[in-house]
Amino acid sequence: SQQGEEDPQALSIQEGENATMNCSYKTSINNLQWYRQNSGRGLVHLILIRSNEREKHSGRLRVTLDTSKKSSSLLITASRAADTASYFCATDASTGYSTLTFGKGTMLLVSP
Amino acid sequence: NAGVTQTPKFQVLKTGQSMTLQCAQDMNHEYMSWYRQDPGMGLRLIHYSVGAGITDQGEVPNGYNVSRSTTEDFPLRLLSAAPSQTSVYFCASSYSWQSETQYFGPGTRLLVL
Repeated sequence: SQQGEEDPQALSIQEGENATMNCSYKTSINNLQWYRQNSGRGLVHLILIRSNEREKHSGRLRVTLDTSKKSSSLLITASRAADTASYFCATDASTGYSTLTFGKGTMLLVSP
Repeated sequence: NAGVTQTPKFQVLKTGQSMTLQCAQDMNHEYMSWYRQDPGMGLRLIHYSVGAGITDQGEVPNGYNVSRSTTEDFPLRLLSAAPSQTSVYFCASSYSWQSETQYFGPGTRLLVL
């Protein structure tokens, strides 16, 4: 069953604008991760935030986590055309071996 | 390092045929997994392995078999392909089952007629 649900399903912006994607999940988690998938390619890990963290930065990426609302957001600042991709959140809620549950993704289009 | 490699890139099967999707990694990772990606469904975990000789089922294991005889390889077997198995299959690996970052292969696109 899907754990994370991204919102919006699709987002279209201009270069230089900021892009915000949201992820909601259903159960308690150990950590939440964001991955990027360029068309026809495999997924690439972007950033991980643990359940005891509230905010994390990596370059132009900022991730927040609100465990009380079971939600996370991914902000990409100063978007570039190369950021055009699908973005997925993945949650690790396992009590044993680590397994990830992925959301359906947000498709981001950044126009020059 | 080649990272995670998958073969073939694309395959067409007829219903009832069998095939093996290959996955290999050269990073000495203990943990390997298989996902399928369907339109509008995101990625779903099929099987995973925490080390050579140890495998377990994920969310959607029916119709698929796996084995892990070496650290490097983690093949996925379809014993009798069905149209419902038409999908894009991704293999992923991480340093250990406690590691959180997974490294993905480029995928195998499978069409079952």
